[in-house]
Amino acid sequence: SQWGEENLQALSIQEGEDVTMNCSYKTYTTVVQWYRQKSGKGPAQLILIRSNEREKRSGRLRATLDTSSQSSSLSITGTLATDTAVYFCATSSGSWQLIFGSGTQLTVMP
Amino acid sequence: AQTIHQWPVAEIKAVGSPLSLGCTIKGKSSPNLYWYWQATGGTLQQLFYSITVGQVESVVQLNLSASRPKDDQFILSTEKLLLSHSGFYLCAWGDWGYEQYFGPGTRLTVL
Repeated sequence: SQWGEENLQALSIQEGEDVTMNCSYKTYTTVVQWYRQKSGKGPAQLILIRSNEREKRSGRLRATLDTSSQSSSLSITGTLATDTAVYFCATSSGSWQLIFGSGTQLTVMP
Repeated sequence: AQTIHQWPVAEIKAVGSPLSLGCTIKGKSSPNLYWYWQATGGTLQQLFYSITVGQVESVVQLNLSASRPKDDQFILSTEKLLLSHSGFYLCAWGDWGYEQYFGPGTRLTVL
């Protein structure tokens, strides 16, 4: 799993497999967002889950949030080679603030 | 549609030299603006944010400064670069929701 002080995690899977990435956070957060960053590009938001939600789905993505353990997960079903990227979780206690985790490098091999 | 442009795309600079990076947002009035730094293989660290023209808040001290001279423009600068300034600089905008929209970034190499 990722957080700020940890090194970038790495996962390598075959196209078509499902994958789950985990994130733990240390301070109170209003929302958890998951961002994807492709090589050499800026990150883009994938999904946002609020502190009063336990699960959120968007297409092949599923995010969960457990505020009691201060952890979140992002699952991708039926991965594609184009899902290869670094995935970050990010927390916010105010609308201007965004604290990113250490990230997970996902490589999906065709 | 909103667009975000950063310049330059990449810079190679000498230690001790000055730096100025820019960011422009089109199609969005009065956005919140942000600067981030990312070391190679690292996470994103928020550096500055600005809610309005002329007002900038520092999140972390890295011997950098930021200014917002116009509603749609955000500038990151320093008078003296350090080796530790190398990395990927990202500008982002947001409104009063939580999502932030990132630009393409500027790759800075300090030698």
